[in-house]
Amino acid sequence: DAKTTQPPSMDCAEGRAANLPCNHSTISGNEYVYWYRQIHSQGPQYIIHGLKNNETNEMASLIITEDRKSSTLILPHATLRDTAVYYCIVSVAGDSSYKLIFGSGTRLLVRP
Amino acid sequence: EAGVVQSPRYKIIEKKQPVAFWCNPISGHNTLYWYRQNLGQGPELLIRYENEEAVDDSQLPKDRFSAERLKGVDSTLKIQPAELGDSAVYLCASSFAFSGWTDTQYFGPGTRLTVL
Repeated sequence: DAKTTQPPSMDCAEGRAANLPCNHSTISGNEYVYWYRQIHSQGPQYIIHGLKNNETNEMASLIITEDRKSSTLILPHATLRDTAVYYCIVSVAGDSSYKLIFGSGTRLLVRP
Repeated sequence: EAGVVQSPRYKIIEKKQPVAFWCNPISGHNTLYWYRQNLGQGPELLIRYENEEAVDDSQLPKDRFSAERLKGVDSTLKIQPAELGDSAVYLCASSFAFSGWTDTQYFGPGTRLTVL
């Protein structure tokens, strides 16, 4: 079973920030938080991951709470092309048994 | 850099027929994964290869599913015979692993299988 809880759907206006929450209250000390997204008819696409510090890349920012029990993926200026299902996954990185266990994700709709 | 390539993109077959899916991973990636994604759900791992070796096939229904990764590059996933419940998207992913470290997984576009 997935170790994360996400809202089933969200929407935001184009050009505004999209903030996608994720709860992972049972996360272990050596587990990372990964975010992937899946645009319709495509395979999942890696977005970002982090352990305990906030992370930023060209696609998004990841904010992890100090107790690591929840996190937020931020798309700073959402576009219509960001409409997708977003998956929050916790997994051990750097381990040869590394495995992604996907939940149902959050379906984000970006409105014009 | 070319991504993970899968073919065919779509396949429609009648039940009890065999079907095969092909995957070419990103160049240099020694780890390859096959996932199945049912409608409205997230992908589920079927099998993971490190080079030619299947290191995790615990979720592969071995009575009808088989996979191979000859020479540690391309891989084929086969279903024989197919059942109605096998209708799904079959995704291939690859990553680079060394000395116990596994890097980010990159996914192909998937093969949508419809069993009639």
